[in-house]
Amino acid sequence: ETGVTQSPTHLIKTRGQQVTLRCSSQSGHNTVSWYQQALGQGPQFIFQYYREEENGRGNFPPRFSGLQFPKYSSELNVNALELDDSALYLCASSRGQTDTEAFFGQGTRLTVV
Amino acid sequence: AQRVTQPEKLLSVFKGAPVELKCNYSYSGSPELFWYVQYSRQRLQLLLRHISRESIKGFTADLNKGETSFHLKKPFAQEEDSAMYYCALRRGSTLGRLYFGRGTQLTVWP
Repeated sequence: ETGVTQSPTHLIKTRGQQVTLRCSSQSGHNTVSWYQQALGQGPQFIFQYYREEENGRGNFPPRFSGLQFPKYSSELNVNALELDDSALYLCASSRGQTDTEAFFGQGTRLTVV
Repeated sequence: AQRVTQPEKLLSVFKGAPVELKCNYSYSGSPELFWYVQYSRQRLQLLLRHISRESIKGFTADLNKGETSFHLKKPFAQEEDSAMYYCALRRGSTLGRLYFGRGTQLTVWP
């Protein structure tokens, strides 16, 4: 068991709404990354947080935002949901900024209708 | 820019047959390459990385910088190898950001 947990596991939202997804990282891991995985695709990097500060961002609009809190918790917020935001959202934690191994959570399946 | 290509979306072999999952990448710098695996109903997990040059569950992968490839191989496939396999690249310079291919679904028939 990797120790990375995400909540909720499934979520249905309406277009235009806002959503918050949560992640509890493995103990001792200071870095958390978020990925979006659309159906039939590999995960795509959204952003990374290191010691509670954003530390790199992928090609996602500003309505995707995040926070990292002390004690290994973090969240991904998406405003003004669009149908194309429907995907599996993965959280991954690692010990440092360039640590060799990222441990993934089981993901949150978001459906936007 | 960097890109990871896995040309086969689906791959089927019989138990005991050799298997090779292809991965090609484009990146001008020195990348780190990884293979991640996702078994049915389980989370994504690291299978192996090129820098460790180790064999995990009988799988090996060699980084070929000339051909910009990092193919995953196993001489004798087992039914329990059936899973989704993702090749991923990390730029050597910074961050933990991984660039993934679209994945190959491997099915090993009995």
